[in-house]
Amino acid sequence: TAGITQAPTSQILAAGRSMTLRCTQDMRHNAMYWYRQDLGLGLRLIHYSNTAGTTGKGEVPDGYSVSRANTDDFPLTLASAVPSQTSVYFCASSDSAGTYNSPLHFGNGTRLTVT
Amino acid sequence: EDKVVQSPLSLVVHEGDTVTLNCSYEVTNFRSLLWYKQEKKAPTFLFMLTSSGIEKKSGRLSSILDKKELFSILNITATQTGDSAIYLCVGAGGTSYGKLTFGQGTILTVHP
Repeated sequence: TAGITQAPTSQILAAGRSMTLRCTQDMRHNAMYWYRQDLGLGLRLIHYSNTAGTTGKGEVPDGYSVSRANTDDFPLTLASAVPSQTSVYFCASSDSAGTYNSPLHFGNGTRLTVT
Repeated sequence: EDKVVQSPLSLVVHEGDTVTLNCSYEVTNFRSLLWYKQEKKAPTFLFMLTSSGIEKKSGRLSSILDKKELFSILNITATQTGDSAIYLCVGAGGTSYGKLTFGQGTILTVHP
């Protein structure tokens, strides 16, 4: 089934450790995004990529980095995790960078707990 | 700063009831308003609204946009327990990456 695959599904991570959340899509979408979802705050954009080879910062980029070496993969790295990064992380993609004309497709999320 | 506000934040109804979910928005360079349904995991797309006054309909769900009042509603008629979910309203602005502003979501619970 075509879509977005995120891994792992959940993870408990000690503060100070690094971790990479993986995201792969097979829809050949140009644009990809990382959001975090926190109770009462909705989804907030961490980083985005309009096309392979380019990335940009969203609303809450601090403490996170991304890369977009090819169309399909968009990993999110936490270099040194802190408890405030405990959240549910969603990867998403859309056919075009201007999402006003093509809706986002979401992965199933990664639940991360930083202790 | 862009803002999307949904109301109510939570709603409990019984099967067969009709519900109306509200969304007001302030989005720079507004392009469209989207509704998503989120059950256990990934949000799934329901509607994209770009024009005022044109109702979009899918089965028991319908939605309409008022670009003058900066408002949208999502109606669900004859609710079923499977409609229990978080409903997300999203404003899309026209920037280089099509900035999306998410509302907090409305948690809908439908009891048998």
